[in-house]
Amino acid sequence: QSVLTQPPSASGTPGQRVTISCSGSSSNIGGNPVIWHRQFPGTAPKLLIYGSDQRPSGVPDRFSGSRSGTSASLAISGLQSDDEADYYCATWDDNLNGPVFGGGTTLTVL
Amino acid sequence: EAQLVESGGGLVQPGGSLRLSCAASGFTFSSYEMNWIRLAPGRGLEWVSYISGVGKTINYADSVKGRFTVSRDNAKNSLYLQMNSLKADDKGVYYCVRAIVGTFWYFDLWGRGTLVTVSS
Repeated sequence: QSVLTQPPSASGTPGQRVTISCSGSSSNIGGNPVIWHRQFPGTAPKLLIYGSDQRPSGVPDRFSGSRSGTSASLAISGLQSDDEADYYCATWDDNLNGPVFGGGTTLTVL
Repeated sequence: EAQLVESGGGLVQPGGSLRLSCAASGFTFSSYEMNWIRLAPGRGLEWVSYISGVGKTINYADSVKGRFTVSRDNAKNSLYLQMNSLKADDKGVYYCVRAIVGTFWYFDLWGRGTLVTVSS
């Protein structure tokens, strides 16, 4: 049981905009910025978003993040077939004194 | 180019031990806080342990506290995870991960991981 809650799956068609949610509590998302990673099977996760809405250099502006209250979301616009991957949210938890992750969302491009 | 390479994973019986290593290159290892994060089947990513740049501050997830020990040797640019009393739930791919701490906190560099299997 992950501390942060993500839907196990999401899907969209090429060109569509999809959103993946991440729900937490006041001890984590409610007070700390959120990061998002993408992971393709058999490879290491890659940072997509930090600071809730900041993109590292090299990440396309098709990816955007937001945080409101105790929830966060990752939006992917202009969906492409190679966006099929697992997406994880994470943040710091003040009660646990460590990082916590969501259970991950598997994105399928139909 | 900055790189992290893990090693030491393998098959171990419940109750057994393993020592994971992570070799860092391409950056000033001692300047960075390091973490071990695992990908467990059906459970997603789980943070395991953290160690500060000079090794003075260490923290563990409750699930491994008392069984795992993290350490680093900055002279050898290496990070270690000693895992004792292993359980089936410890199975997964273990990643060595560099953290950025400043205005924002995030994980910016991941190794390719090493697989730990706990089974009799």
